[in-house]
Amino acid sequence: DAGVTQSPTHLIKTRGQHVTLRCSPISGHKSVSWYQQVLGQGPQFIFQYYEKEERGRGNFPDRFSARQFPNYSSELNVNALLLGDSALYLCASTSRTGTNTEAFFGQGTRLTVV
Amino acid sequence: TQLLEQSPQFLSIQEGENLTVYCNSSSVFSSLQWYRQEPGEGPVLLVTVVTGGEVKKLKRLTFQFGDARKDSSLHITAAQPGDTGLYLCADGSGNTGKLIFGQGTTLQVKP
Repeated sequence: DAGVTQSPTHLIKTRGQHVTLRCSPISGHKSVSWYQQVLGQGPQFIFQYYEKEERGRGNFPDRFSARQFPNYSSELNVNALLLGDSALYLCASTSRTGTNTEAFFGQGTRLTVV
Repeated sequence: TQLLEQSPQFLSIQEGENLTVYCNSSSVFSSLQWYRQEPGEGPVLLVTVVTGGEVKKLKRLTFQFGDARKDSSLHITAAQPGDTGLYLCADGSGNTGKLIFGQGTTLQVKP
């Protein structure tokens, strides 16, 4: 079985542009989460989607949006890019066992804003 | 908001040495996870601990959960260059499926 796949792997954008990042979860997983990881830091939660509905949102501005499709794949959109949006964007298939959440991450999309 | 603090931030050791990294929280974990992330890759789950005082072993890695469930440690015996990476602890006990990560410990094991 394929793991979590993300595209593209690398991206360079100019300030003010918008970007769309894509993610396909592990087959059978219905939940997808997005994280932003700035160099030298741990990942920061952006969104979680389950069955096409937003289930959680982190402390990010409205320039960040996401959606999940019927096949459970997901897109993360960022508008009006800022230099500070440069980061590794990680997508995770998440599963819950009792009160625990476990995440299986893709390799990420490295976004550079110039 | 729960904060997870990891220490040390950076560790550079020689192959064969032992090391311990720590994860401390401002509040009680229901469960705590350890991940390892290699350059250019996403984090990979190593272990989940849920019971206070729990100890889990994964080959040369030993994970311990504090009795009060507010801290955890990861001990590596006889480190190898393949252990190099960013070690992250995370709280996965929220209702929304959100993971809260520490800032990580960057480990470099030199041959």
